[in-house]
Amino acid sequence: GQNIDQPTEMTATEGAIVQINCTYQTSGFNGLFWYQQHAGEAPTFLSYNVLDGLEEKGRFSSFLSRSKGYSYLLLKELQMKDSASYLCAGRSGGSYIPTFGRGTSLIVHP
Amino acid sequence: DSGVTQTPKHLITATGQRVTLRCSPRSGDLSVYWYQQSLDQGLQFLIHYYNGEERAKGNILERFSAQQFPDLHSELNLSSLELGDSALYFCASSGGLASNEQFFGPGTRLTVL
Repeated sequence: GQNIDQPTEMTATEGAIVQINCTYQTSGFNGLFWYQQHAGEAPTFLSYNVLDGLEEKGRFSSFLSRSKGYSYLLLKELQMKDSASYLCAGRSGGSYIPTFGRGTSLIVHP
Repeated sequence: DSGVTQTPKHLITATGQRVTLRCSPRSGDLSVYWYQQSLDQGLQFLIHYYNGEERAKGNILERFSAQQFPDLHSELNLSSLELGDSALYFCASSGGLASNEQFFGPGTRLTVL
């Protein structure tokens, strides 16, 4: 499986922009996912990247650089409800099952 | 609401016991995945079923087993429970065998005392 690395915790201010980074093993890479998980709730799908570049979806964007084994999730115009854990997950080799990182807990304060 | 249902929502039991967790996928989805999430381990993949057949196995203990029935609902059986099995157990579903998006159920919180 993959070896996913992401920061444990981040804080940001309401209305600001925050970037959550994720690194992964490039060998056999086959797709990178971002999920949002509020405390005690189910993860919900945010994005999937398999090609280099930025994909924008409303206030959320996800970026991938395959050569660097690097992705980030960009959240704009932060709202209090964005306080959650953001899970980065990668697929590699012949497996279609993503390996999840431990998540980045984002705290948005007024 | 993802359309995936899981029962029960909470389960409290004692060490050595056996429990069964149930999952119903979204209508039309053939794939069911089981995950375990504990505070120190993050979201760990356990097992995947597609249209009734086991297709992939992750870090699933021998004390754990699962199956997917003809109506596509799935059950995860946990036996000889230990304190360390206390966790959130999520089921997720997707339409195909290797879909890019999985839809997660609300989870079952298992507490082993």
